[in-house]
Amino acid sequence: EVVLTQSPATLSLSPGERVTLSCRASQSISSYLAWYQQTPGQAPRLLIYEASKRATGIPARFSGSGSGTDFTLTISSLETADFGVYYCQQRGHWPQVTFGQGTRLEIK
Amino acid sequence: EVQLVESGGYLVQPGGSLRLSCVASGFTFTTYWMSWVRQAPGKGLEWVATIKQDGSEQYYVDSVKGRFTISRDNAKNSLFLQMHSLRAEDTAVYFCARENFGAYVSFFDYWGQGILLTVSS
Repeated sequence: EVVLTQSPATLSLSPGERVTLSCRASQSISSYLAWYQQTPGQAPRLLIYEASKRATGIPARFSGSGSGTDFTLTISSLETADFGVYYCQQRGHWPQVTFGQGTRLEIK
Repeated sequence: EVQLVESGGYLVQPGGSLRLSCVASGFTFTTYWMSWVRQAPGKGLEWVATIKQDGSEQYYVDSVKGRFTISRDNAKNSLFLQMHSLRAEDTAVYFCARENFGAYVSFFDYWGQGILLTVSS
């Protein structure tokens, strides 16, 4: 099983700041990684797929990078709607799917 | 507009059975793989099961193999999760999710609002 480890566990930042979230895979998953945002009481929302492709309707301030075992989600300038929990997810070894444990992004 | 609406969540005793349903609209259901993903209270996301467009292939996380069955009724745009031998650790919000494919791999591009299943005596 591919284990995804996200860091940091929690971040406290202010609107307008730049943030970088990390996701590390226990073995290579090529670029088979997606990122989701979840706000309280809501379903997850797809942000990025195949490591760097923005999903439909996702603002350009969100970007993803990485391949192999190390991946990054960057938000160039935080807005209040961006706070919540971020999960990475892999499907590099079909059909199994695993998620990272999440990074909580809080308003400072 | 793509919509996924789950139903069927309840309070069930350990060892009991239950079927969750998800009705899809706003897209051609028969052309998509579909999945269930769950989230225990205060915890992260866990993939549960996936089914192919025509129902001919199903895949499960190890912890539910032999207890859960994913199925679909394409005539009714519906996805199901039949659960048996339920355990306390199955307590979670269950999300129905559509799988889409990029150039190389699938991802979950639309999710239902989720439904809570509580397994407790």
